[in-house]
Amino acid sequence: GENVEQHPSTLSVQEGDSAVIKCTYSDSASNYFPWYKQELGKRPQLIIDIRSNVGEKKDQRIAVTLNKTAKHFSLHITETQPEDSAVYFCAASEGFQKLVFGTGTRLLVSP
Amino acid sequence: DGGITQSPKYLFRKEGQNVTLSCEQNLNHDAMYWYRQDPGQGLRLIYYSQIVNDFQKGDIAEGYSVSREKKESFPLTVTSAQKNPTAFYLCASSIALLADNEQFFGPGTRLTVL
Repeated sequence: GENVEQHPSTLSVQEGDSAVIKCTYSDSASNYFPWYKQELGKRPQLIIDIRSNVGEKKDQRIAVTLNKTAKHFSLHITETQPEDSAVYFCAASEGFQKLVFGTGTRLLVSP
Repeated sequence: DGGITQSPKYLFRKEGQNVTLSCEQNLNHDAMYWYRQDPGQGLRLIYYSQIVNDFQKGDIAEGYSVSREKKESFPLTVTSAQKNPTAFYLCASSIALLADNEQFFGPGTRLTVL
C-alpha cells in the first residue's frame, strides 16, 4: 500500500519568512495530493490540493508543487503570519477511495 | 462549525469496557470515515463507509467496530480488544467515497483509558 513520509516534524520561522514542508510517497499510481491544516484545538481543514497532471498550484500565499518522477510534493507558504501556526498534514491517494496521511508538521510562526 | 459533529468531546473509560463514539453529519454525504490521531503518527484510517449498511476496514481496524444504519450516523465502538485505545478520534465525511473528494472533519473525541 501507499506510504507517505513528511518532513520536518516541526518548523519554526519568523513572521514574514517562507516555510516549506515536504512529503514523499511510494505508490506511483497515486494521483491526488491534498494538504490539510489543523489549528490548535480545531479540526483539520483542506487548504490546497494538486492532481498528478499538474506540476504546481497556487492560492494566494500558499502553493503546492509536485514532482511525479521523484514522487515528492511540497507545500510552500510565503510571507508567513502568526495565524499560519498549525499542524499541516499532507496526504496521497491510495486507489480511488482512500487517502494516506503523512505524520504532520507543526509550524510555529513567531512575531 | 456545523455540518459534522462528534460527541462527547472527552471520554474516559476503564480498562475492559467497550465505549461508543458518536458521529453525525447533516451534509447529505454518502461517505464517512473514522481516523485515529496520535502524536507523531498523523491520521490513521480505522473504518470507512461508502453508503448505508456498508463499511470496510481501514489500516488499523483491530479492536474497533462500526455500524452505518443511517446515512447521517457512523458510530465507532472501541472494544476491550483494542490494546492501546487512548487517542484522539476524528470522524470525517465526503460527498462520495472518492479519494479526491474533500473530507470534512468533526471536532474530535479524546478518549482516555484509565
